[in-house]
Amino acid sequence: SQQGEEDPQALSIQEGENATMNCSYKTSINNLQWYRQNSGRGLVHLILIRSNEREKHSGRLRVTLDTSKKSSSLLITASRAADTASYFCATAVLTGANNLFFGTGTRLTVIP
Amino acid sequence: EAGVTQFPSHSVIEKGQTVTLRCDPISGHDNLYWYRRVMGKEIKFLLHFVKESKQDESGMPNNRFLAERTGGTYSTLKVQPAELEDSGVYFCASSPYYGANVLTFGAGSRLTVL
Repeated sequence: SQQGEEDPQALSIQEGENATMNCSYKTSINNLQWYRQNSGRGLVHLILIRSNEREKHSGRLRVTLDTSKKSSSLLITASRAADTASYFCATAVLTGANNLFFGTGTRLTVIP
Repeated sequence: EAGVTQFPSHSVIEKGQTVTLRCDPISGHDNLYWYRRVMGKEIKFLLHFVKESKQDESGMPNNRFLAERTGGTYSTLKVQPAELEDSGVYFCASSPYYGANVLTFGAGSRLTVL
């Protein structure tokens, strides 16, 4: 199947440290997206990287994409307690989110 | 603008009962999606509406699930009769046009089947 898999499943760090989460997927993609879910809330889109891009930045977020390895990483720098959430990668096979394939998520806990 | 709203936020029912989940997408968003997350597993696609038409329902698990979007506005997802394995969080999402890459999600409806 297409679903992504995040690694690690859970991550606990101190405030101020960097957090790195990885995602692997199985087939060719058009783009890969990262979403965040705070407890009891919906998924919030963070960043999108296209298959022809290798790296993208948005504020404290840095995403890399290696299509040869079918993997992506999300780096959150200078983490804050408010970053505590579950993070999901999602792949889109075709242009347009006709059907996003999500992973199981990484649960990040940032300790104040 | 109001986001994607889902109701109820949590429903607890007995096996064999019926539950109807509702999703109100962002006004004007033609595309509406349902996803489900069973405890600890990945978020799985269920189906996709474009206006009132089902564009893709390949993720619907079986015929106990019925989704509708009459009039192309809000959508309902009915589970009848509910089974234990239907427990999970059902997410609705919308996007403004076919081909939009990013989805806006609702907070989800948690379904517990006892």
